[in-house]
Amino acid sequence: EAQVTQNPRYLITVTGKKLTVTCSQNMNHEYMSWYRQDPGLGLRQIYYSMNVEVTDKGDVPEGYKVSRKEKRNFPLILESPSPNQTSLYFCASSSLSRDRGHYEQYFGPGTRLTVT
Amino acid sequence: QQQVKQSPQSLIVQKGGISIINCAYENTAFDYFPWYQQFPGKGPALLIAIRPDVSEKKEGRFTISFNKSAKQFSLHIMDSQPGDSATYFCAASKDGNKLVFGAGTILRVKS
Repeated sequence: EAQVTQNPRYLITVTGKKLTVTCSQNMNHEYMSWYRQDPGLGLRQIYYSMNVEVTDKGDVPEGYKVSRKEKRNFPLILESPSPNQTSLYFCASSSLSRDRGHYEQYFGPGTRLTVT
Repeated sequence: QQQVKQSPQSLIVQKGGISIINCAYENTAFDYFPWYQQFPGKGPALLIAIRPDVSEKKEGRFTISFNKSAKQFSLHIMDSQPGDSATYFCAASKDGNKLVFGAGTILRVKS
């Protein structure tokens, strides 16, 4: 079954305690990205990756890091979480667009993070 | 500043009625306009999408209407059912991968 998995699904942590949210896809997709979803703001892209070892900032990258050492995995790292990073996080993957073709993005089930 | 503005924030429709959600955009470089449906506890999933070279696309009870000159597009759900109750996001893309999302519309269909 084609899917994007995220772990953990729920996380409560304290300010400043480093955490990692894992993301894995089994569709051999080149493109992966992280979004955060906040009420009234929709989904906003944090970081994206077009292939292994190729990552770049999205619209709201401050306070986050990512890595892409393997094609299937794209972890999101919060080195020093703060309360304003309390949010619902989604990982997504798709085939890489070439010649402006568009491909469906597949989303994971989400990780609800609370930082106190 | 949101590049894609979506309205309404929430919508209540009677079973069998028509649900209409509207989106507007500014960037004329956008050339792909998908709608995503999200159920509680799940990630968004692609519902239907349109390119600006057509004015309408229909898939079952779901229709996208696109007005290029007005830079607006809308989702129509015909014969709305309680199972359609979800959050709907419009989005736009100009480079084939990055999606810019609207704020979302919470739809409730009353039986």
